[in-house]
Amino acid sequence: DVVMTQSPLSLPVTLGQPASISCRSSQSLVYSDGNTYLNWFQQRPGQSPRRLIYKVSNRDSGVPDRFSGSGSGTDFTLKISRVEAEDVGVYYCMQGTHLFTFGPGTKVDIK
Amino acid sequence: QVQLVESGGGVVQPGRSLRLSCAASGFTFSSYGMHWVRQAPGKGLEWVAVIWYDGSNKYYADSVKGRFTISRDNSKNTLYLQMNSLRAEDTAVYYCARDLGVWGQGTTVTVSS
Repeated sequence: DVVMTQSPLSLPVTLGQPASISCRSSQSLVYSDGNTYLNWFQQRPGQSPRRLIYKVSNRDSGVPDRFSGSGSGTDFTLKISRVEAEDVGVYYCMQGTHLFTFGPGTKVDIK
Repeated sequence: QVQLVESGGGVVQPGRSLRLSCAASGFTFSSYGMHWVRQAPGKGLEWVAVIWYDGSNKYYADSVKGRFTISRDNSKNTLYLQMNSLRAEDTAVYYCARDLGVWGQGTTVTVSS
């Protein structure tokens, strides 16, 4: 089974400053079709999850461009260029190459 | 607008069964794969099951395999999760999601005697 790890698990950030979350998989996430099925989700307090990024770097509709995803193989990163108050919540990476597995989540809050 | 509404949650004793439903609207339901994802109280997200757009393929997390069954009725625009032999560790909010890109508000399942 694929294991997803994230770091850090807690990320205090300053408004207006950048933030970065790392996600690693125990196996390569490159599928036989050449795609890499790595997603990023945001879950604000009290809300349902919302997908931000799919296939490593593609932003979902309505997602602000301050969010970006990058990476390949087993190492991936979600970056927020300038953190806003509405970005507080838990961020999960999730692989969809070998069935589906979520990472443990990274809690982002304001310093 | 695109909407997913889960229902069927509640309190159930260990070993009993429950069926969750997810009513879809605002899109062509029969064109999309559908997932169930759960979240235990205070914990992270756990993928549960997926069903192909036409119901031809179904896959499950090891934690529910053999106990849960995902199904869909494309004529009713509805996704289901039949949960049998429920355990305390199945207590969670259960979300349905369209291809993981659109999520419902969740329904709460509590397994307790």
